[in-house]
Order: sequence, then C-alpha cells, then structure tokens
Amino acid sequence: EIVLTQSPATLSLSPGERATLSCRASQSVTNYLAWYQQKPGQAPRLLIYDASFRATGIPARFSGSGSGTDFSLTISSLEPEDFAVYYCQQRSNWPLTFGGGTKVEI
Amino acid sequence: QVQLQESGPGLVKPSETLSLTCTVSGVSITDYYWNWIRQPPGKGLEWIGNTYYNGRTNNSPSLQSRVIMSLDTSKNQLSLKLSSVTAADTAVYYCARSLSLRSPFDDWGQGTLVVVSS
Repeated sequence: EIVLTQSPATLSLSPGERATLSCRASQSVTNYLAWYQQKPGQAPRLLIYDASFRATGIPARFSGSGSGTDFSLTISSLEPEDFAVYYCQQRSNWPLTFGGGTKVEI
Repeated sequence: QVQLQESGPGLVKPSETLSLTCTVSGVSITDYYWNWIRQPPGKGLEWIGNTYYNGRTNNSPSLQSRVIMSLDTSKNQLSLKLSSVTAADTAVYYCARSLSLRSPFDDWGQGTLVVVSS
C-alpha cells in the first residue's frame, strides 16, 4: 500500500498570503496524484488531478506540481473560502489511498 | 448535473451488517465507476472500494473480507454492505463517481454518518 504523508499538518496563514502544501508518497506514483478540498460538514471537492490539472470550475489560484514521490499544492493568494482541509490521493496502485490532510487555518 | 445521495440507518449494532444505498440522478450508473469512501469523525479519508455495472469490483484489502458492493441499474442505485461492524467502523460514508477504474473522484454525495453502538 502506498502511504501518502502530507505536511505540514496545519498551516496558519492570512487572506492574501500564498499557501504551499506538500504530499510525499512512499513510492513513485508517477503523476497519478489528486488534491481535494474539504470544508466542515461538506464532502471533499476535487481540485487537481494528475498532479497539475485543475478540475472543472476550480479557480486559477490553485495549482499543483510534482511527479514521482514529491508533490505540492499551491494557493497563490488565499481567499476567505480557501480555509479548509486539503487531502492528496494517489491512483497509481491498489488500494487507492489518501494522505492524512493539511488544515489551512486563519 | 449529477447528484448522489446516500441513505441508510444511522445506527448499527456491533457485529451486525451496515447497509447503505446511494441514489444517483442526472447520469446513468452504467456509464461510470462508483466508489465508497469513509471518514471517521475528525479523521481522514479511507477508500473502501469501487464497482462497475459489469460486476467488476475492487476493494481495499483491509476491508475486503467484509465488503459487498453492488449496483441496481433499474433504480440507478449503488449499495454497500459491511459485515461484522465494530466501533471502528463509525464514520461518515460517501459515495463518489469516477470516470474510469482508477480516475479521481469527481463527484461526491453529501455523506451519511453511521454510528456503531449497542
């Protein structure tokens, strides 16, 4: 099973600041990595797939990069609605697995 | 626009079987893969498994022996059965759509909380 380790666990920032979240895989997942955003009481929402492609309707301030074992999600300028928990997820190997999440808080 | 809605008992006794249904509207369930994902309160996400209308399923090894997933094409619904539940199975259970076998989860239901307790 591929283990995804996200860091930091919590990121404390202010609106307008840049956020950089990390996801490290225990073995290569090539580019088969997705990012999801989850707000309290809501289901996760797909942001990025295959490491760097924005899902439909996702604002351009969200970007993803990386390949192999190291990936990052960048939010260029935080909006109030961006404060949430973010999860990475790999689809390279069975079983499909998620990282433990990074909480972006004000 | 696709909509997914989970339903089922909110309380299940230990050792019994958890049964959930996900009703899909806006698309035919025969056109996509369908996943079950759960999230214990205050914790992260765990993929349970997925299924396709041809009967093909893939499950997480940690739950495989206890999971049965199926589709009812006449009702456009998918179902999950998890047997021999314990308190560790208490979670919000989500159904989610994938475009293909291992594609990302691009649409999710709102989730339903299932508590395992006597």
